[in-house]
Amino acid sequence: AQSVAQPEDQVNVAEGNPLTVKCTYSVSGNPYLFWYVQYPNRGLQFLLKYITGDNLVKGSYGFEAEFNKSQTSFHLKKPSALVSDSALYFCAVRDGPGGSYIPTFGRGTSLIVHP
Amino acid sequence: DTGVSQNPRHKITKRGQNVTFRCDPISEHNRLYWYRQTLGQGPEFLTYFQNEAQLEKSRLLSDRFSAERPKGSFSTLEIQRTEQGDSAMYLCASSREGLTDTQYFGPGTRLTVL
Repeated sequence: AQSVAQPEDQVNVAEGNPLTVKCTYSVSGNPYLFWYVQYPNRGLQFLLKYITGDNLVKGSYGFEAEFNKSQTSFHLKKPSALVSDSALYFCAVRDGPGGSYIPTFGRGTSLIVHP
Repeated sequence: DTGVSQNPRHKITKRGQNVTFRCDPISEHNRLYWYRQTLGQGPEFLTYFQNEAQLEKSRLLSDRFSAERPKGSFSTLEIQRTEQGDSAMYLCASSREGLTDTQYFGPGTRLTVL
């Protein structure tokens, strides 16, 4: 079975400050990990993914995420937050090679960036 | 590269009516997925197609729900005898068969059952 946890319902950060949105996961094999962003009344937009290789993954809009196998975490980060980054962020996981194609999504974290 | 499109974007219906939603995936993607999303939750998997074959269905997909992808291109999701509990955002995603199968989502169809 695979699962993902986003322990914070909401993250508040001031514009210009660094931001972190947390995600921890559980899979039986090697994980494929994804971050998506959702703006109000819209679908999910793909931000970045970890499949293998470098633990630091860079994605769209200046976001990056760090894969930590020992802590089973894949936290989303950005060095300097923008007001326009305010949105819902979803972490997703699925089993790697040979596993299900269906990812499991977290409940989401609402990021609010204050001017 | 046009993205995933879904129609209609919004649907309001009365309890007991049937509704049908359409999803047009990214053209070169052979895999198509349907999800349901309710307020405060992440997307929950409903069903998945590879080309025209429906390969997996969630236990969430009751017998009132049916999905098709007749020619391996667009897909439809029909809900019969709608209930108020069916009110949700219905999301479609597509991916290209390959190592990572990254899914790209459409804008969703918001269903309200009165």
